[in-house]
Amino acid sequence: EVQLVESGGGLVQPGRSLRLSCAASGFTFDDYAMHWVRQAPGKGLEWVSGISWNSGSIGYADSVKGRFTISRDNAKNSLYLQMNSLRAEDTALYYCAKDREGDFWSGYPGIDYWGQGTLVTVSS
Amino acid sequence: EIVLTQSPGTLSLSPGERATLSCRASQSVSSSYLAWYQQKPGQAPRLLIYGASSRATGIPDRFSGSGSGTDFTLTISRLEPEDFAVYYCQQYGSSPRLTFGGGTKVEIK
Repeated sequence: EVQLVESGGGLVQPGRSLRLSCAASGFTFDDYAMHWVRQAPGKGLEWVSGISWNSGSIGYADSVKGRFTISRDNAKNSLYLQMNSLRAEDTALYYCAKDREGDFWSGYPGIDYWGQGTLVTVSS
Repeated sequence: EIVLTQSPGTLSLSPGERATLSCRASQSVSSSYLAWYQQKPGQAPRLLIYGASSRATGIPDRFSGSGSGTDFTLTISRLEPEDFAVYYCQQYGSSPRLTFGGGTKVEIK
């Protein structure tokens, strides 16, 4: 059974940093691309960042580029999101998510498994 | 950046009716890179359709996807009570970058 378990969320002041982690199990982690997707309270889905199976392709939404850094450790079956210079508008539930494919443009990609999310609240 | 516009924003239908949801892209999208998701309150999204028309594992055949270029459609042939939810389209663009549409809420009439 595929499991994605996020951790690291919490209340943080504007301008501070936070690091999210995602522990993956139930599949061959280093075969698949991974993503972070967020959802602000009562709002729609927003893709934050994605990383290919071997970290060779990485992408960010414009809203987080230069502030957030995605990484993965295939030996530890883990995905990370380092979030710096946090803003109130970064407040959201952050989902760790697995892609069907190893890279963004191979085959027929789609996000087929999602964690339950970790809540990040940016407020003074 | 490709923008995905979903319509209508809300669809009010009765169980057993047909639902037709639209997703329009601001520029042409490869069908291979267009997906649809369902999200119910308090739950993570669920992949319904990938490659514009292929059903994900375990998705009932009342769900179907179609379209190409800039216009894509998700059709639910006969609404079941568990289908009332919010639906999102999503595309994989260059850079790499993914974008979601704003969502369509299918509610009980």
